[in-house]
Amino acid sequence: NAGVTQTPKFRILKIGQSMTLQCAQDMNHNYMYWYRQDPGMGLKLIYYSVGAGITDKGEVPNGYNVSRSTTEDFPLRLELAAPSQTSVYFCASSSTENTEAFFGQGTRLTVV
Amino acid sequence: AQSVTQLGSHVSVSEGALVLLRCNYSSSVPPYLFWYVQYPNQGLQLLLKYTTGATLVKGINGFEAEFKKSETSFHLTKPSAHMSDAAEYFCAVTSMDSSYKLIFGSGTRLLVRP
Repeated sequence: NAGVTQTPKFRILKIGQSMTLQCAQDMNHNYMYWYRQDPGMGLKLIYYSVGAGITDKGEVPNGYNVSRSTTEDFPLRLELAAPSQTSVYFCASSSTENTEAFFGQGTRLTVV
Repeated sequence: AQSVTQLGSHVSVSEGALVLLRCNYSSSVPPYLFWYVQYPNQGLQLLLKYTTGATLVKGINGFEAEFKKSETSFHLTKPSAHMSDAAEYFCAVTSMDSSYKLIFGSGTRLLVRP
């Protein structure tokens, strides 16, 4: 029972490089979320999706892009990495807006 | 726009003492409310939630929370702290309007002294 799977677990990027953080869930959940977690700041919502083909901005979307072509996958794209994007990124999914969100194990990203 | 405020970034209690972690929300309509716990180097897991019905909600590991609409609060309590409760706790809300955003507070780190 995989749940929410994030890859990679760790990554070091140079300033200006791009990368995609992968997120996949096998629970047939409609809702998916991307968060970043910085010390003392809690989790900030980057983007979210309520179903395939539907995405919307969260609290801190600048510098990121997402797509949701299937129910299972919700990749997060960083186009021009900046040191301010150094963070731990979590993907989550839920079946509806009032049910439990299941989280992946996180991706620790460092931009140097 | 909805928001969540957790008072106290750190709370320290003795083992066996009452745990009280505070959460207030700001929303145009009463939202769905959640408490999550995060152990070191792990993702978050659900402790309890309030959607509708009884305002006192019981969760896992002996935690409970009470939804108070008049105070826009959803404080988390546990009568007797255990060393294994040491973790970071997050309050979260989902708006009942069409945005469906799941928004988290800044978290409270619970320290349990022997």
